[in-house]
Amino acid sequence: QVQLQQWGAGLLKPSETLSLTCAVSGGSFSDYYWSWIRQPPGKGLEWIGEINHSGSTSYNPSLKSRVTISVDTSKRQFSLRLGSVTAADTAVYYCARWVSTFGGLRWFDPWGQGTLVTVSS
Amino acid sequence: EIVMTQSPATLSVSPGERATLSCRASQSISSNLAWYQQKPGQAPRLLISGASTRATGIPARFSGSGSGTEFTLTISSLQSEDFAVYYCQQYNKWPPLTFGGGTKVEIK
Repeated sequence: QVQLQQWGAGLLKPSETLSLTCAVSGGSFSDYYWSWIRQPPGKGLEWIGEINHSGSTSYNPSLKSRVTISVDTSKRQFSLRLGSVTAADTAVYYCARWVSTFGGLRWFDPWGQGTLVTVSS
Repeated sequence: EIVMTQSPATLSVSPGERATLSCRASQSISSNLAWYQQKPGQAPRLLISGASTRATGIPARFSGSGSGTEFTLTISSLQSEDFAVYYCQQYNKWPPLTFGGGTKVEIK
């Protein structure tokens, strides 16, 4: 059974850099893309970006200038860095596996437990 | 960017009744749509992919339909554990992958 465990700093000041890491246990690491998704308090879901085991990335254009997603295949981990944070970046951040089947079905599963990141001076 | 719009924002339903949730895409996404359920304090859980294919372990009371720009999630007979927020998500074209704003199903 695949499990995602994530961690990182939960309280940041404006202009600092958000840093989160997600560790994958069980299953294949190299067969999938791995994503970060966030959810501001009381609001909906926003996809941040994705990475695969070889480091190929794709980002949400709305965040691309501030986001870096990286991978450490030896540790089965991937990480998110978001620079120059403001209060608008306050959210629960999730990591998730992006599954694609030969039949063309796709979905996020499983998800990490979520990390609340608060940006406040 | 493909914009996903869900309606209504809140749906009040009595246990045992049917709930019908709508999701509209700003352009055709074929059947490239997933539905998720989210309960307070939890990560979203996959319900349906391919607009109508239930995920493993999802009860048959959940069904999805639609293609192109109009999609529906139906819960045939609401159980107490079904009161939650539901999100649709398109994967026809990215970046970015996009979600709808969610529909909260609450007890009437």
